[in-house]
Amino acid sequence: EDQVTQSPEALRLQEGESSSLNCSYTVSGLRGLFWYRQDPGKGPEFLFTLYSAGEEKEKERLKATLTKKESFLHITAPKPEDSATYLCAVRNTGFQKLVFGTGTRLLVSP
Amino acid sequence: DVKVTQSSRYLVKRTGEKVFLECVQDMDHENMFWYRQDPGLGLRLIYFSYDVKMKEKGDIPEGYSVSREKKERFSLILESASTNQTSMYLCASSPIIDTEAFFGQGTRLTVV
Repeated sequence: EDQVTQSPEALRLQEGESSSLNCSYTVSGLRGLFWYRQDPGKGPEFLFTLYSAGEEKEKERLKATLTKKESFLHITAPKPEDSATYLCAVRNTGFQKLVFGTGTRLLVSP
Repeated sequence: DVKVTQSSRYLVKRTGEKVFLECVQDMDHENMFWYRQDPGLGLRLIYFSYDVKMKEKGDIPEGYSVSREKKERFSLILESASTNQTSMYLCASSPIIDTEAFFGQGTRLTVV
C-alpha cells in the first residue's frame, strides 16, 4: 500500500532561519510527487510536481528536491507569510488518486 | 487560472438528513475528486470520477455516494448524515492522470 510520512509534524522558525521539511514515501512505481501549501480553513494550493529522482523545482523561497525514497522542501530565509501547513502527496503508476501525508505545520515568527 | 468552486464554505446539518455538496470546475478537466480532511488523518479520498457518469470508490466511500452528470460538476451525497461525517470536505480536479490536482476552498460540514 502506498504511504507518505511527513516530518516534523510542526516546525517553528524565526524569520530568516532556513530549514527543510521531509516527505518519505513508499509507492509501487512513482508517477509524480506533489507539494501543496494549505492555509487555515482553505483548500490546498499547488506548489510543485516532481517526477524523477534528482529533479528539483524552485519558487521564490521554496525549493523541492526528490530522491528515490524521499522529497525535501527547503525554505530559504522564510518570512511570516510562509506560515502554513505543507502537504506532500504521491501518485503511483497504476492508480489515479493522490495519497497524502498528514502535513507539516510551519510557523515563522517575525 | 483554474477555478474549482464548492457551493458552500460552511454547512450545519442534522443527523439523518440527506446532504448534497456541489463542486464545479471551469477548466474542462476529466478527473474530479472528493476528499475529506480530519486532524491527524490528513486527506482521505472518498470518491473520484475520470469521466462523465463514471465513478470509482476511494479509500472511505461508506456512507457517501457521488453524481457526475456533466463534465464540470461533481456532487457528493451523504445519504443519511451522521456525526462522524463532521469534517472538512475538499473537491479537486485535474486534466490528466499525471498532473497535479487543483482544489476548491473546502466545505466545513458539521452534523449535529
